[in-house]
Amino acid sequence: GAGVSQSPRYKVAKRGQDVALRCDPISGHVSLFWYQQALGQGPEFLTYFQNEAQLDKSGLPSDRFFAERPEGSVSTLKIQRTQQEDSAVYLCASSRPGTATNEKLFFGSGTQLSVL
Amino acid sequence: GNSVTQMEGPVTLSEEAFLTINCTYTATGYPSLFWYVQYPGEGLQLLLKATKADDKGSNKGFEATYRKETTSFHLEKGSVQVSDSAVYFCALSGQYGNKLVFGAGTILRVKS
Repeated sequence: GAGVSQSPRYKVAKRGQDVALRCDPISGHVSLFWYQQALGQGPEFLTYFQNEAQLDKSGLPSDRFFAERPEGSVSTLKIQRTQQEDSAVYLCASSRPGTATNEKLFFGSGTQLSVL
Repeated sequence: GNSVTQMEGPVTLSEEAFLTINCTYTATGYPSLFWYVQYPGEGLQLLLKATKADDKGSNKGFEATYRKETTSFHLEKGSVQVSDSAVYFCALSGQYGNKLVFGAGTILRVKS
């Protein structure tokens, strides 16, 4: 596709529900990142994939958060037993092969999660 | 650990005014520095970057110089337009890391 696509755009969940957020990176992009952006704050790193390998998950806030990218393309961020503090915008970003993994990230528009 | 501090907003300017958004950082080693911009309803976009001390990044009339002595990367533009209204994020990445560390963002509003 033309850009990084995330779905759904908005998600409302009741506390305790499980949610799954999808990211379609730009075709051919090797690196994929998830960030969490709380209201009025900058994005914070959650996890990083290179192809299907999850190379860094140090930013995941708890074991309720799980991310996967089984075929090295689409990625899913899953949050189990959602809590109110999970309310945020979840951003996905990808980068081209051949570039340094920390430069020229292409971001999606994000999924805004509201936990009631 | 690494961190980025940006001036608080919102910053409100009239069209054609001069813009400065301050950004300072704390980091070990020699980070790369970035400015990302988020226009209303859109995803974050890379605006400019600098990878070593004294480098100047520039794009769309915006400039920022990597100042190691003052650990700063201030964003400037000589004459802003209404279309520059957006949220601006300063960010850094570590020498060996793949994670961006972002500042809290600065809202810019430009009035015609």
